[in-house]
Formats: sequence, C-alpha cells, structure tokens
Amino acid sequence: SAVISQKPSRDICQRGTSLTIQCQVDSQVTMMFWYRQQPGQSLTLIATANQGSEATYESGFVIDKFPISRPNLTFSTLTVSNMSPEDSSIYLCSTRGLGTGELFFGEGSRLTVL
Amino acid sequence: GDSVTQMEGPVTLSEEAFLTINCTYTATGYPSLFWYVQYPGEGLQLLLKATKADDKGSNKGFEATYRKETTSFHLEKGSVQVSDSAVYFCALGGNNAGNMLTFGGGTRLMVKP
Repeated sequence: SAVISQKPSRDICQRGTSLTIQCQVDSQVTMMFWYRQQPGQSLTLIATANQGSEATYESGFVIDKFPISRPNLTFSTLTVSNMSPEDSSIYLCSTRGLGTGELFFGEGSRLTVL
Repeated sequence: GDSVTQMEGPVTLSEEAFLTINCTYTATGYPSLFWYVQYPGEGLQLLLKATKADDKGSNKGFEATYRKETTSFHLEKGSVQVSDSAVYFCALGGNNAGNMLTFGGGTRLMVKP
C-alpha cells in the first residue's frame, strides 16, 4: 500500500487566482494521477504524471489550466490556474499499487472558489 | 470505451437492514473490479476488489461477486450500521500499469438509527 498526503486539505480562493496542491507519497512510485471530484459527482481523471516527462492530460483538461509538476518519484503538484467558481471541487492525488491495479488516494484538497 | 453504471442514490436504510448497491459495467478484456468508499469529508478508500470472474471480494461485512455473465459487481451487506453512511463508488480497471480506473457515478448511502 501507499500513504499519500495532500495539502492544503481545503482552501477558499478568490476568482482569478491560482492555487498549487501538493501530493507526497511515502514510497517511490512511477505514476501519479490527479482526479477532480465536482460537488455530488464522481471522479474524473485530469492527468497522469510520470517522473521525468510531461504529464498526459485527459480530454477536456489542458496544461495551461492545470499545470503539473513531477520533480521526483515521491512528489507531484497540481496547479489550478485562473480559478473560477466552476473549479470548486475536491482534487485527489492517487497512485497505483504494484501489480494490484488498485488506486490509493490522498485525502483530497477541497477548493472553494468565490 | 469502458463504463460503469451504478444505481442512483441516495439509498436510505434503517440500521441492520440489508444493503444492495447495483453496479454493472462494459469493458473490453478482463478488467479488475473495485468498490471504493468515501466517508464524509474524507478521500476515497478501497473497500474491496475482485480480479477475475467469480471472485468474491469482501471486507468489513461487505461483499461483491465478479459476475462476467451479467457484467455486474453488486455490493451487498447483510446488516448495515450508521457508520456505513458514505458514498460508494464502483470502478473497473485493468491490471496493466497504464490502465486507468473508470468510476461509476457513486451511490450515497444513509443509514438511520
């Protein structure tokens, strides 16, 4: 298993500002994933972050809006840029268990944009 | 593409009632199937999983059987408790590192004393 820590756990932000969410894993992992969970909705994959390469974004998500860094095998950041109220969501970092296919999740970062 | 369909909630039950949350899927190949639980204010936790047909995943009194013939993975519990109140997500994914998980829409369970 993997223990994943995210911060901030929650924040209230003003429209037009940007916020960076940090994700720390307690072991080295190849792939890290960022998901968004809009209020009352299921999870949507934003992007996959591999160390040493550009993140791979899913349809509907772009690097300019959600830049991602992956400087080493235990850490990643997701920035939500130029925020609007529609960006109010829980953002979840996750990684995959070795050989098991299951995902482990951080506690999530709950953003509210006013 | 792959998809997961769950029964819509909320599901409201009295304590000690029997729970079933339906989950069906469409997928190519032979995916693994998962149930995740999200307690209020928390992230997702893996509840149980099954990696091949006819496997039964179980944990904390919850069970789900991987039914390939009906493409289903229904979650059941014989006697729910108030502490089971949460949102439950069914998900599927391959065992390859590159395969992402596809999540259902989630089902909110509310258990009343």
